Amino acid sequence: NAGVTQTPKFQVLKTGQSMTLQCAQDMNHNSMYWYRQDPGMGLRLIYYSASEGTTDKGEVPNGYNVSRLNKREFSLRLESAAPSQTSVYFCASSLYGQTDTQYFGPGTRLTVL
Amino acid sequence: AQTVTQSQPEMSVQEAETVTLSCTYDTSESDYYLFWYKQPPSRQMILVIRQEAYKQQNATENRFSVNFQKAAKSFSLKISDSQLGDAAMYFCAYRSEDSNYQLIWGAGTKLIIKP
Repeated sequence: NAGVTQTPKFQVLKTGQSMTLQCAQDMNHNSMYWYRQDPGMGLRLIYYSASEGTTDKGEVPNGYNVSRLNKREFSLRLESAAPSQTSVYFCASSLYGQTDTQYFGPGTRLTVL
Repeated sequence: AQTVTQSQPEMSVQEAETVTLSCTYDTSESDYYLFWYKQPPSRQMILVIRQEAYKQQNATENRFSVNFQKAAKSFSLKISDSQLGDAAMYFCAYRSEDSNYQLIWGAGTKLIIKP
């Protein structure tokens, strides 16, 4: 049982390049989330998916898009990367969302030059 | 809007001793959930303990316990018999009962364990 997996673990991009961060969970959870973590700050929610087929904006959605491909997978896309998007990105999932505990992946460290 | 404050950027404790990490929050809601997450150097966020606001009894998980003071809006984490593996960043987080699935996070406290 792998829990929440993320790929890649590290990525370096040039300004303007695009990329997709992949996330998958094998816990049959309904809700999935994308966060970013910047130095000295707590996590900030980018997007979330309450259930398969739905996505909603979080606190900091600008510059990102998401796709809930199926119940297991939730991807985050940067269409035109900017240095301000240099961060550590975490995917998480929870069974039903509102009051459930979230389980996190190992994170992706992204650097945009 | 809700906010979560962790006023201790860094704490250190001798192995086997007890340490308390502070967390305060601001909310006008009466029903909510509070969490402590641990982030070791591996970066993965790991749930340590969870508290429902409607429960007066403080949550405990083995060596980890909380002191939940609802009126004071305080939610501190006590780690007893500290172990080297407890060294990590610790984050306090808040979620309202009817939230849009969003956790509100504190900035974190770095815990150092001295052997």
